Amino acid sequence: EPEVTQTPSHQVTQMGQEVILRCVPISNHLYFYWYRQILGQKVEFLVSFYNNEISEKSEIFDDQFSVERPDGSNFTLKIRSTKLEDSAMYFCASRLGQSTNEKLFFGSGTQLSVL
Amino acid sequence: EDKVVQSPLSLVVHEGDTVTLNCSYEVTNFRSLLWYKQEKKAPTFLFMLTSSGIEKKSGRLSSILDKKELFSILNITATQTGDSAVYLCAASSGTYKYIFGTGTRLKVLA
Repeated sequence: EPEVTQTPSHQVTQMGQEVILRCVPISNHLYFYWYRQILGQKVEFLVSFYNNEISEKSEIFDDQFSVERPDGSNFTLKIRSTKLEDSAMYFCASRLGQSTNEKLFFGSGTQLSVL
Repeated sequence: EDKVVQSPLSLVVHEGDTVTLNCSYEVTNFRSLLWYKQEKKAPTFLFMLTSSGIEKKSGRLSSILDKKELFSILNITATQTGDSAVYLCAASSGTYKYIFGTGTRLKVLA
C-alpha cells in the first residue's frame, strides 16, 4: 500500500535554530497536512495545504512556521527559530481529495527535540 | 470552538473482554468521523463513518455513528494483547480540518 514518508525520523536541534521537516505524501493525493503531538498529549492540527497554498492553519502555526511544496513530491514544514516548546512528534498526512474518500494517511513522524 | 472528547481516557481489560470506546464531537459543518489506532508512532486508519446508524465492521472491531446525538462508539470484542494501543477519534469539519480527541489508552492483559 502506498504510504506517506517522513524524514528525518529524529531531529535534535538547539533552541533558536531553524529546522526543516520533510514529507513525501502519497503521489496522487491533493491535500496535505501537518499535525503535531507533544508527548502524552493529543494530536493537534497545525496546517492544511491544497493547490499550492495554505487552506487553513491553527493558532499554533504562527509566523515561526511555514510550509512549502518545492516540487511535485515533497512537502516541508519549516520552523524558523525553534523554542523548547516546539519539542514534539510532527506528523505529515495526506488525503486523496475526493469528497467521498476522506481517509487521512499519516507518515511515521519526525520526533523533534529542542535543547 | 470545534472539539472532540473521548472516554474513558484509559482502560485496562483482560484478554477476551469486550470494550466500548466513546467519542463525542462538536464540529462546524461536520463531514465524517474517523477512528485510528496508534501503537508506537503513526496513527493507522480503522474506520471512517459518515452516515448515522450504519455499522462498520472489520474483524473483531466495529463502529457506529449517531449524528443526532453527535457521538460514535468503537467496539472491540474478544480483545487480544495486540489490541493494546491508543485509539484516536477524529472529526472532520466542512473545511476538511480533522480535529482529534485525546485518545483512549487501552491495555489488554494476558
